[in-house]
Parts: sequence; C-alpha cells; structure tokens
Amino acid sequence: DAMVIQNPRYQVTQFGKPVTLSCSQTLNHNVMYWYQQKSSQAPKLLFHYYDKDFNNEADTPDNFQSRRPNTSFCFLDIRSPGLGDAAMYLCATSRVSGGAGETQYFGPGTRLLVL
Amino acid sequence: GQNIDQPTEMTATEGAIVQINCTYQTSGFNGLFWYQQHAGEAPTFLSYNVLDGLEEKGRFSSFLSRSKGYSYLLLKELQMKDSASYLCAGANTGGFKTIFGAGTRLFVKA
Repeated sequence: DAMVIQNPRYQVTQFGKPVTLSCSQTLNHNVMYWYQQKSSQAPKLLFHYYDKDFNNEADTPDNFQSRRPNTSFCFLDIRSPGLGDAAMYLCATSRVSGGAGETQYFGPGTRLLVL
Repeated sequence: GQNIDQPTEMTATEGAIVQINCTYQTSGFNGLFWYQQHAGEAPTFLSYNVLDGLEEKGRFSSFLSRSKGYSYLLLKELQMKDSASYLCAGANTGGFKTIFGAGTRLFVKA
C-alpha cells in the first residue's frame, strides 16, 4: 500500500545533541511537510517542500532544518534540541491537484523525548 | 489573522449523534478539512468542504457555511472507536498551507 513512513517511532536524545528524524513516502506526492505537535495542541507547520523548493514558516526556530534529497525522502534536523522541543513530529504529503485544497496524508509520527 | 476555534472536549453516548462545531478566520480561504486523530497516532482525513452545504459520507457528515465562517462535523450511530480528537483545518489559496485547530477530544461512553 502507498504510504508515508516515519522512522523511528520514538526517539530519545540528550539536551543539545543533534538529532535527525526521517520520513519517506511511496505516494509520489510533490509536497512534503513537517509539523510539530505538542499534547492537546494543533499540529504546527514548521516547513514544507514543493518539489525541491523549501518554504520555511516565519516562526520556525533556526534550530530546525530540513533536507529533501529526492521526491521520496525528507529529513528533519534539530541541531541543538532543548527540553521544549519534546513533541510529536508529523510528516505529511500532498499532491498538486490545482485549485482545490490539498488533502494531507500523514505518517505515524516520531515522538521525540529530550533528556 | 488566521484562527480556528473548536470546543476542547465533548462527551457522548454510544449509538447517539454528536455535532462538533468549528469557526474559522483564514485569509484566502480555500475549503475546510476535518481530520480524525486517535491518541498517539497521526491525523487521518475525514472530509473536505469547499462549497456551502452538507456532505454526507456514511456515518460522518460535514457542513460548511462560508458566509458565517462556520463548519460542523456530525457523527451518527456513535461507536466506542470514535473516541478520538477531531481536528478542523482551513485550507488557504495560493499555497499549500493548512491551518489546524487544536482539536476536539470526543469521549464516547457506553
């Protein structure tokens, strides 16, 4: 089945130690997104790629970076995780249909714990 | 500004009907989504409305009024597995940005 895969499902890191979260998709969608979601809060968009074009949200901290080496893969790099970065990180994809709102397909998420 | 408002929590009984309301203010509105999110899992798509009116899909229906900036999700014949958060999300024109609400946690009791 076509899907969005995130690895690992749970990630533990130390305060200040760089960490990379991975996302891959078999849907061949143009757009990939990274969201941060804290408990009982809305998913917060960090950035998205439209093909190779990177779009950063204005309020995304510089501590968060992303790479998309090809259509299928996208990575979230947290350069120096702080305790406040502990959250669920959701990867999502959407296709470009033009005109209509784009349904997003989410991966299962990676729950990040910062010690 | 852009804002999505929905109730924090609701409780309903198995077999009953529940309506989850959402009001929104988004610039460049291009439709409204409802997603279901079980605890610790990713959101999954339920519905998308871009025109006014009611869209029915099995036990779930979604309504939109663009002039009022208002939507609701109607769940019929509630089942225990419907206990989840329901996220209202507004789509914007001119891009791919979707603004999510914080979600309404629905508890279905026997």
